[in-house]
Amino acid sequence: SQTIHQWPATLVQPVGSPLSLECTVEGTSNPNLYWYRQAAGRGLQLLFYSVGIGQISSEVPQNLSASRPQDRQFILSSKKLLLSDSGFYLCASDRVGSINTGELFFGEGSRLTVL
Amino acid sequence: KQEVTQIPAALSVPEGENLVLNCSFTDSAIYNLQWFRQDPGKGLTSLLLIQSSQREQTSGRLNASLDKSSGRSTLYIAASQPGDSATYLCAVFNDYKLSFGAGTTVTVRA
Repeated sequence: SQTIHQWPATLVQPVGSPLSLECTVEGTSNPNLYWYRQAAGRGLQLLFYSVGIGQISSEVPQNLSASRPQDRQFILSSKKLLLSDSGFYLCASDRVGSINTGELFFGEGSRLTVL
Repeated sequence: KQEVTQIPAALSVPEGENLVLNCSFTDSAIYNLQWFRQDPGKGLTSLLLIQSSQREQTSGRLNASLDKSSGRSTLYIAASQPGDSATYLCAVFNDYKLSFGAGTTVTVRA
């Protein structure tokens, strides 16, 4: 099995401040990594995915960016937060080391409130 | 673009009743389909994974079917319990990513 760590778990930030959410994965190597956002009352929206170190694909134009400095580390950032960036951010990883079934495993999430 | 729809949006049943949750998707060229459970304020827990070549998967009281050609999946939960109260999310995997439905929020009354 694998474990996905996200921190911080909860964050309250003023508009215009920077953001850094971190995700690390244990128990696997060379995973595909994903950042999803879940806004209040809405479904999960894919923000970024990464198939390897330094490889980032963005799904929607937005105020956020992502980086993957290490194989099992995925970071979500912003230089200046907007009110609309509030939401529940989830990091996900797929299983590797055997046949890749595409099954995704999620962390416990980071709840961001922008005031 | 893949669109995933879940019906109903919410469901309330008495304890012991069987649950039927529906999911439909527009692009049948999927790699797999996953059902997740989400408790309030928490992350997602994977319940069942159905590969595109499979018709169903079972785990305990849970059974999920997949009809890829018609773009449908159904999650059955037998003999529901209050602990089954949660939001259930359906997601389909293609093009390196999972696309999610908005979920069905289930309440099981004791």
